Parts: sequence; structure tokens; C-alpha cells
Amino acid sequence: DQQVKQNSPSLSVQEGRISILNCDYTNSMFDYFLWYKKYPAEGPTFLISISSIKDKNEDGRFTVFLNKSAKHLSLHIVPSQPGDSAVYFCAASGGLGGGYQKVTFGTGTKLQVIP
Amino acid sequence: KAGVTQTPRYLIKTRGQQVTLSCSPISGHRSVSWYQQTPGQGLQFLFEYFSETQRNKGNFPGRFSGRQFSNSRSEMNVSTLELGDSALYLCASSLGSTGSTEAFFGQGTRLTVV
Repeated sequence: DQQVKQNSPSLSVQEGRISILNCDYTNSMFDYFLWYKKYPAEGPTFLISISSIKDKNEDGRFTVFLNKSAKHLSLHIVPSQPGDSAVYFCAASGGLGGGYQKVTFGTGTKLQVIP
Repeated sequence: KAGVTQTPRYLIKTRGQQVTLSCSPISGHRSVSWYQQTPGQGLQFLFEYFSETQRNKGNFPGRFSGRQFSNSRSEMNVSTLELGDSALYLCASSLGSTGSTEAFFGQGTRLTVV
């Protein structure tokens, strides 16, 4: 049962344009969401996060939007750069006690930014 | 500040054998989590250790086990290896305090079972 879903395995975007990566979740207990970026032969790197008390969080070129009613979040990258080409993982956690450390990841979306 | 270190980077084992993977977290981090990454499955949560205790557990069989030492270093063990255990095993460390903290990942151990 995939509780965090990234339905687009890949995405190609022209340099300078906006990249939009989508993520859906099914577990209503999730209340903290993260995006990680992964280059080949490296471990994932934390990118940006959002708590369920917010609907938007921005950090430079990266913005994450959360729609709790739709159980949907998205990552916007503006403008996209060739160095952004990587696999992006959506992740979610939540619950009491140590629940925030039990993170459920999506299957990833491979972003290719074309120069 | 040194990052998360996983050893070894690559490993080839035969079906039925057992294997131990090691993870040294970032200094000061008390939580260590383990993930299995396979193509098409993303990162699957194995377990999380905090202060030498398993605090969270994923849905993996008992062949997968782990432990954490007093210096927060962690080991993961897989017994009776199966071909399907071939994967990238990632370790992540975080402060582990209650609340939402991002994790820092190591480069992973690539395990191949033949």
C-alpha cells in the first residue's frame, strides 16, 4: 500500500521554465512533508519541508504547496536550472512521539532540465 | 562537520549468507534510520533507532534487524539473504527530538545478492 504517491516517474523541462512536481498521500495522520533531491551515487539531500499548519513554504527558487483537503502537495522550482536535474522524492511523516522519524517516501520523479 | 558515513559502499553476497552494514551518524545526532531503495519502490523505511532503542519499525521480515551503540553508530543485519534483498541501503541521521527534523543521508551501501 503506497501511502505516498508520485505518479509521474519523469519530467522534462526547459531551462528557465517552471518545474512542478506532484505528490499525493493517503494517510490523514501525516502532518509533516518533505522533499528530497537525489543525484546518482549519492544519498538523498533535504530540500524543503512544510508543516500541515501551513499551505505554502518558500526557500529561494523552491516553493512547496500543501492542499490538505486534497491530500496533495507540489514542489515548484522557478526558474529551473540544469543542475536541478535529479530524482526528487516526496516524503511524509506524522504522529505522536517518535512518529516524525518514521518517514514514508514516494517512488520519486526524475527531473531533467534541458539547457 | 563530517557527514553520515556508511560502510562498505559495495557488497556482493551469496543467497543464504548474512550481512552486516554499518552507519556512523553526524556527531550529535541520536537518531539513525535505515531505508531500502529498489527500482520502482522508492525508499522503504526499515527501522529507526534512538538512544540505542528501536523506536520505529517498518514492514520488513524479521531477517532484517539492527542495533545502535552508545556512540549512536548503528548496524543493520540481514540474515538468510535472498535475491530480492539486492538494493541500495541508506542510513539517515537526525537529532531525533520529538518534532519534525529533516534527516541527513549517507551515500548508501549497494548490496548485490547472487
